[in-house]
Amino acid sequence: KNEVEQSPQNLTAQEGEFITINCSYSVGISALHWLQQHPGGGIVSLFMLSSGKKKHGRLIATINIQEKHSSLHITASHPRDSAVYICAVIVGSGNTPLVFGKGTRLSVIA
Amino acid sequence: DSGVTQTPKHLITATGQRVTLRCSPRSGDLSVYWYQQSLDQGLQFLIHYYNGEERAKGNILERFSAQQFPDLHSELNLSSLELGDSALYFCASSVAWPGMNTEAFFGQGTRLTVV
Repeated sequence: KNEVEQSPQNLTAQEGEFITINCSYSVGISALHWLQQHPGGGIVSLFMLSSGKKKHGRLIATINIQEKHSSLHITASHPRDSAVYICAVIVGSGNTPLVFGKGTRLSVIA
Repeated sequence: DSGVTQTPKHLITATGQRVTLRCSPRSGDLSVYWYQQSLDQGLQFLIHYYNGEERAKGNILERFSAQQFPDLHSELNLSSLELGDSALYFCASSVAWPGMNTEAFFGQGTRLTVV
């Protein structure tokens, strides 16, 4: 079983919809990253968080350390949000590389 | 632009050959990570260098090796290439290594196709 599980695997939404992508992990972590990978392949770091909530524009990320769960929300979705969203965790005390989920492929249709 | 530069962007080579992928980290970043992303596996950690020294190894094949040079750029060497080595290879850099307060910045990747 993968240490990091994401759901859903694929998501299609209409422009303007509110989107939620979930990430659950089974190990103790020190922080969690949300990454965005566009069709061209490049990876961009959206958030790094270890507690609570962060907001950047239309993107909101939350984490519940006790429940080992994080969510990425996109408000007022737009076709340019179409990408693969990847959750990655830093296991243990922090001096370890990222462990990745398999990603959620989001398509936003105009 | 993340500040991390990977070259080449695309590489097509034949089975049995050897290639070298190059990564220049962001200015000031001491850590370089290499990751492999294949279609069926997702992103997998290969190896981590910090200030010229190997710090951690992941699922890296013996046919693969890497090094980080004094100017902090890194090279990933892949030899005796097989069809299954076709993948996107990413480099990421960070000031130290991913931890509580350190972000990682990714390069655009090198797409390797072995034919």
